[in-house]
Amino acid sequence: DTEVTQTPKHLVMGMTNKKSLKCEQHMGHRAMYWYKQKAKKPPELMFVYSYEKLSINESVPSRFSPECPNSSLLNLHLHALQPEDSALYLCASSQDSGPYGYTFGSGTRLTVV
Amino acid sequence: GNSVTQMEGPVTLSEEAFLTINCTYTATGYPSLFWYVQYPGEGLQLLLKATKADDKGSNKGFEATYRKETTSFHLEKGSVQVSDSAVYFCALSGEAGGTSYGKLTFGQGTILTVHP
Repeated sequence: DTEVTQTPKHLVMGMTNKKSLKCEQHMGHRAMYWYKQKAKKPPELMFVYSYEKLSINESVPSRFSPECPNSSLLNLHLHALQPEDSALYLCASSQDSGPYGYTFGSGTRLTVV
Repeated sequence: GNSVTQMEGPVTLSEEAFLTINCTYTATGYPSLFWYVQYPGEGLQLLLKATKADDKGSNKGFEATYRKETTSFHLEKGSVQVSDSAVYFCALSGEAGGTSYGKLTFGQGTILTVHP
């Protein structure tokens, strides 16, 4: 298995909703990442987990809450989002937090209404 | 801090034309360099990489050479196909021991459209 699987592919949520994005990989990678990508822009790093511990938080608002229950799974919990949070959310993994290149998932297209 | 600059797009070519997408970077030491491709509606795929000076990364007919002296990593392909139409991102990861080790810094992306 050489994929990163993200669910759901599309999500529409209201500003008072709570939802979660899920990411899974079975490549034995020990680093996992959340990125946010706005239209026609490069991805922006949000969080890095290394060996199941949060190692980097790029000053992301607390309405985004990451969780890494085990080495294969990464969640992003969403609460009280704003319309400007609408974007493509990409999960990625790598062998560890070194220069190996990431494997990206196909992303979750999030729309906040 | 680290930065990556890509040539302005979009780039429009006819099938079988030669492709060059310029990429230059600013970083301390010896970063690792990558090209990623994003097809419409999809995530990013690693196209090729180089981890030290003078390394050449290659994949699917695409090539790029890590030039430390010019801090460049230009992407080339000798004959493009319609299926190569996508957005191409140049990226770097800082060297080991640095604060940006393992963190990808992306260029702005170049939209490539290939016509039959």
